[in-house]
Amino acid sequence: GAVVSQHPSRVICKSGTSVKIECRSLDFQATTMFWYRQFPKQSLMLMATSNEGSKATYEQGVEKDKFLINHASLTLSTLTVTSAHPEDSSFYICSARDAEQGVYSSPLHFGNGTRLTVT
Amino acid sequence: DAKTTQPNSMESNEEEPVHLPCNHSTISGTDYIHWYRQLPSQGPEYVIHGLTSNVNNRMASLAIAEDRKSSTLILHRATLRDAAVYYCIRGSQGNLIFGKGTKLSVKP
Repeated sequence: GAVVSQHPSRVICKSGTSVKIECRSLDFQATTMFWYRQFPKQSLMLMATSNEGSKATYEQGVEKDKFLINHASLTLSTLTVTSAHPEDSSFYICSARDAEQGVYSSPLHFGNGTRLTVT
Repeated sequence: DAKTTQPNSMESNEEEPVHLPCNHSTISGTDYIHWYRQLPSQGPEYVIHGLTSNVNNRMASLAIAEDRKSSTLILHRATLRDAAVYYCIRGSQGNLIFGKGTKLSVKP
């Protein structure tokens, strides 16, 4: 089945530094990938939609200059948390849909998430 | 706004069927109904999806009401590994907006 690999699974960084999270579709191509954030005991919140070869679309309230998204190829999207602060500590999850399947009906494939802790 | 309503939690006994309800009374004609589940500290896992007809796969069955305002995810024989948060999602724009889901506990 379709696999989305997310790396790293866990990262601890100091306040003020930047962290890059990678999301790869291993056996399919994805023109669109989605980035979610999940705080403890809460549901997933969509942060942005990453489009291959173009700018990402951010949800309301998500700072595009703080959460930089790059989708340079059909199998890789990256999320960079810039100047991270403790309140950015969260579980970040990416997902992707097979480009060869229907946009509205095909399932999303999720990575296993990245636990970010900012000290 | 997730636009679906699910019970916060449900309990089941191992090896018994589980019926997880979802209300989506404002669903539009082009919205699919998707179900995902999430185990602790993992990304969500696709379970099943459908538009109008009932659907079956190796994991579960999805029963969709005739007016499409509600649906039920059916796990035919719950196992301990089915304990997770189950999300019912309306999808029509490519992305999926998650609600709070139903936390399913399975008792041995």
